[in-house]
Amino acid sequence: GAGVSQTPSNKVTEKGKYVELRCDPISGHTALYWYRQSLGQGPEFLIYFQGTGAADDSGLPNDRFFAVRPEGSVSTLKIQRTERGDSAVYLCASSHGQGLAGASSDTQYFGPGTRLTVL
Amino acid sequence: AQSVTQPDIHITVSEGASLELRCNYSYGATPYLFWYVQSPGQGLQLLLKYFSGDTLVQGIKGFEAEFKRSQSSFNLRKPSVHWSDAAEYFCAVAARSSASKIIFGSGTRLSIRP
Repeated sequence: GAGVSQTPSNKVTEKGKYVELRCDPISGHTALYWYRQSLGQGPEFLIYFQGTGAADDSGLPNDRFFAVRPEGSVSTLKIQRTERGDSAVYLCASSHGQGLAGASSDTQYFGPGTRLTVL
Repeated sequence: AQSVTQPDIHITVSEGASLELRCNYSYGATPYLFWYVQSPGQGLQLLLKYFSGDTLVQGIKGFEAEFKRSQSSFNLRKPSVHWSDAAEYFCAVAARSSASKIIFGSGTRLSIRP
């Protein structure tokens, strides 16, 4: 079946602009995650959705970053007033979302990412 | 706070040789442990995971990892590497109280010598 898809694959913007990054999770997955991967680093957790609600947004770096998942499927990561330091690959993952009780079988499946470049 | 250390930034091994990638974690209790692989242009793929039970975990593509509580380590091994194993490998942990939030190490890049 189809995996996690992310659009666009590449986004170039200017400092100060607003951007939206989209994630389409695997059909039926209730949990969705956003990560940011800077050059030469491992992915860094940003936010986790269970259904429509953000269950853990402790990784969002500041209030310029915001994510939504209004219908419990597609999610959009929104970045306001972009800065050069926001340049990174933004990864999305989804899982069945069994939560803590089912964590042993709740594998996260990652999308290919969106490469954001802020000039 | 949890942390993951992958001490080797880049490793080169010959095709057919054995491989061991090191991973150490810092956490008060035994976390969930993972190894992921990232190939150029590909998404992160889970190789294996440890949640409980047998400390030797078998994964996909012939990889295995051993959890050693006394050393806070979760090293990844493969008896004979193939050229297609060239990729970036990430060790990761998740607290049992917050299993959805995965903390990744900085990665080890594996190159294969023909």
